Amino acid sequence: GAGVSQSPRYKVTKRGQDVALRCDPISGHVSLYWYRQALGQGPEFLTYFNYEAQQDKSGLPNDRFSAERPEGSISTLTIQRTEQRDSAMYRCASSLEGALEETQYFGPGTRLLVL
Amino acid sequence: SQKIEQNSEALNIQEGKTATLTCNYTNYSPAYLQWYRQDPGRGPVFLLLIRENEKEKRKERLKVTFDTTLKQSLFHITASQPADSATYLCALDSFSGGYNKLIFGAGTRLAVHP
Repeated sequence: GAGVSQSPRYKVTKRGQDVALRCDPISGHVSLYWYRQALGQGPEFLTYFNYEAQQDKSGLPNDRFSAERPEGSISTLTIQRTEQRDSAMYRCASSLEGALEETQYFGPGTRLLVL
Repeated sequence: SQKIEQNSEALNIQEGKTATLTCNYTNYSPAYLQWYRQDPGRGPVFLLLIRENEKEKRKERLKVTFDTTLKQSLFHITASQPADSATYLCALDSFSGGYNKLIFGAGTRLAVHP
């Protein structure tokens, strides 16, 4: 079946603008993760959803970052008043149940560039 | 705080040789460790998981070891091929309290030359 999809694949925005990044997980996957990946680095955890419940948002850098998953499927990561330091690759991943040891399936990412 | 270290420099090897990648961690005792492969422009892809009570795990040409005393995991690719060229990430569980919250290393880039 289809894998994790993300849109847009590339987003260029001006400093101060709000952006919304979308993640469509694998159908039936309960768990959804958002990561940020800088060039030459591994993914850095941002937030975790179990169904529609945001169970962990400890990795969100500040209150300009928020995420939602209202129907337990598609998720949106929103960055308000973007800053140049927000430029990075934003990836989401999903897993079947969110259990320990479970494989995470990553999407292709959204490359965000803040000018 | 938890810290994961992987070889920051790229590893260049000849086709047919065994590639060995290292993942060291400090201030931490993970219950399990996962290895992922990442190709340029793509998301990471899961390869192998090894638990703290397992010394070694194999899958085809891949072998992972986990030494909890040394706080180190080694990832081996035997009979390497140019198609194995990629960045390899290790990821440790972070005692999230019930779900698979991972901490990733920076990755090591492997280049296999014909």
